[in-house]
Amino acid sequence: GAGVSQTPSNKVTEKGKYVELRCDPISGHTALYWYRQSLGQGPEFLIYFQGTGAADDSGLPNDRFFAVRPEGSVSTLKIQRTERGDSAVYLCASSLVGQDSYEQYFGPGTRLTVT
Amino acid sequence: AQSVTQLDSHVSVSEGTPVLLRCNYSSSYSPSLFWYVQHPNKGLQLLLKYTSAATLVKGINGFEAEFKKSETSFHLTKPSAHMSDAAEYFCVASGAGSYQLTFGKGTKLSVIP
Repeated sequence: GAGVSQTPSNKVTEKGKYVELRCDPISGHTALYWYRQSLGQGPEFLIYFQGTGAADDSGLPNDRFFAVRPEGSVSTLKIQRTERGDSAVYLCASSLVGQDSYEQYFGPGTRLTVT
Repeated sequence: AQSVTQLDSHVSVSEGTPVLLRCNYSSSYSPSLFWYVQHPNKGLQLLLKYTSAATLVKGINGFEAEFKKSETSFHLTKPSAHMSDAAEYFCVASGAGSYQLTFGKGTKLSVIP
């Protein structure tokens, strides 16, 4: 079946601009996660959705970052007033439920470059 | 709080020789531990996971890992490397019943023909 998909695969934007990154989880997965992977680092947790609500957004670095999942399926990560330090690969994952016993399936990521 | 340390940023082996990727964790409780693999332009794929059952865990593609509580280690091994094993490997921990994954910095495995 189809895995987690993310669009776009690459995004180049200018400092100060607004960007949206989209994630399509595996059908039927109620839990959705966003991670950020900076160069040379492992992915870092940003936010977790259970259904439509953000159950844990403790990893969002500041209020320029926001994510939604209005219908409990597709999610959009939104970044306002982008900064060069936001350049990274943004990964989305989904799972059946939000517990460690359930495998998180990752998408290929969106590489964001802020110039 | 928990943390994961991957002791080598880069490991290079010859095809057909054993692979050892080292990982140590720090946690105030027994975590669940995972190894993920990331091939270029591909999503992270779960290789194996430890969730307090057997300490020797077998995964896909001939990989296995052993949980050693006394050494707080979870090293990944494979008896014989294949060219297709060349990728980045991440050791990952999560808290009991938690969804939040904590990743190590990754180890890049190169396989020399």
